[in-house]
Amino acid sequence: AQSVTQLDSHVSVSEGTPVLLRCNYSSSYSPSLFWYVQHPNKGLQLLLKYTSAATLVKGINGFEAEFKKSETSFHLTKPSAHMSDAAEYFCVVSEVGSKYKLTFGKGTLLTVNP
Amino acid sequence: GAGVSQSPRYKVAKRGQDVALRCDPISGHVSLFWYQQALGQGPEFLTYFQNEAQLDKSGLPSDRFFAERPEGSVSTLKIQRTQQEDSAVYLCASSPRDRGLTDTQYFGPGTRLTVL
Repeated sequence: AQSVTQLDSHVSVSEGTPVLLRCNYSSSYSPSLFWYVQHPNKGLQLLLKYTSAATLVKGINGFEAEFKKSETSFHLTKPSAHMSDAAEYFCVVSEVGSKYKLTFGKGTLLTVNP
Repeated sequence: GAGVSQSPRYKVAKRGQDVALRCDPISGHVSLFWYQQALGQGPEFLTYFQNEAQLDKSGLPSDRFFAERPEGSVSTLKIQRTQQEDSAVYLCASSPRDRGLTDTQYFGPGTRLTVL
């Protein structure tokens, strides 16, 4: 069965400093991996997705993630945090054979301090 | 264009009442999904429709939960005889093609259900 583990429930950074949100996955086959962001009172929004093409994936708002099969990781990074990045971030996996069924991690709350 | 909309945004029910939650997907989207998000957790898959056909309902937690999409557009999630453990945010998502594949799922804002 597929699963994801988000290693930090809360990350706090200062505006202008780098962001690193960590995610490890478990999957029997070649997974598809996603990062979603959830702002308060708004719907989940896709940041980026990996689907077995390039291992370094660029997303919206300057975010990117690198798929590392040997480490079973898919960490999310951004070089410089902005106040508007403060939100809940979810790492998500889906598997071959049931790609419609997304399995979410528990989420990481990102706080950006001025 | 318009995104996925859900109504009501907030619902308070007394234990034992029946509730109905509505989802309006993006126009023309074939696939529709329901998820349940408990407080402090990530969303969990409930059920999946391709047009009007419910192809997967493996995530529905009990037979008190029922979902339908009779005309392949609007969907309703119904919960009978609500219990306190049903309190959660219920999210609806839609995607353009069948089975989702690796298509993006577009999420609505959710309905927050509180059962007293």
